[in-house]
Amino acid sequence: EAQVTQNPRYLITVTGKKLTVTCSQNMNHEYMSWYRQDPGLGLRQIYYSMNVEVTDKGDVPEGYKVSRKEKRNFPLILESPSPNQTSLYFCASSLSSTRGRNQPQHFGDGTRLSIL
Amino acid sequence: KQEVTQIPAALSVPEGENLVLNCSFTDSAIYNLQWFRQDPGKGLTSLLLIQSSQREQTSGRLNASLDKSSGRSTLYIAASQPGDSATYLCAVEDSGYALNFGKGTSLLVTP
Repeated sequence: EAQVTQNPRYLITVTGKKLTVTCSQNMNHEYMSWYRQDPGLGLRQIYYSMNVEVTDKGDVPEGYKVSRKEKRNFPLILESPSPNQTSLYFCASSLSSTRGRNQPQHFGDGTRLSIL
Repeated sequence: KQEVTQIPAALSVPEGENLVLNCSFTDSAIYNLQWFRQDPGKGLTSLLLIQSSQREQTSGRLNASLDKSSGRSTLYIAASQPGDSATYLCAVEDSGYALNFGKGTSLLVTP
């Protein structure tokens, strides 16, 4: 089954304790992206990746890191989490970033992070 | 910066009604507009994608239109069912390689 898988689905942690949210897709997609969703603010892009070893900042990259060492994986790293990073996070992927922009994006089921 | 607005924020209709959800955007230089559905505890499901050169797309009971020059899109749902209850999100893809989302319309279809 074609899917985007995020782990963990839920996490409660404390300020300053490094954490990684994994994202994996099995559709051989080139483009991957991370979003956060907050009440009243909607979905905002954190980082995106056009392909392996190519990443760039989205609208709200502060406090986050990403890496794209393999095509299927795009982990989101919070080196020193803070309470303002409490949010619902989504990973997304789409087929191609270069051979045409008009590809639907596929989303994971989300990761709910609570930073105390 | 692209701004996407969805009206209404919430909508409640009896089963069987036809309904229209509205989306507007400020910058007409877009690649496409996408409509998503979000169910509680779930991710986003892509419903329809309209390329900038297209005027509409249809899938089953759903029809989405795009008027790029006026910065508007509508999602038409025919013969609504309780299973259509969800939050519907409009998103515009522009040159920034990001989807710019509206805040959504929360739809409740009552039996």
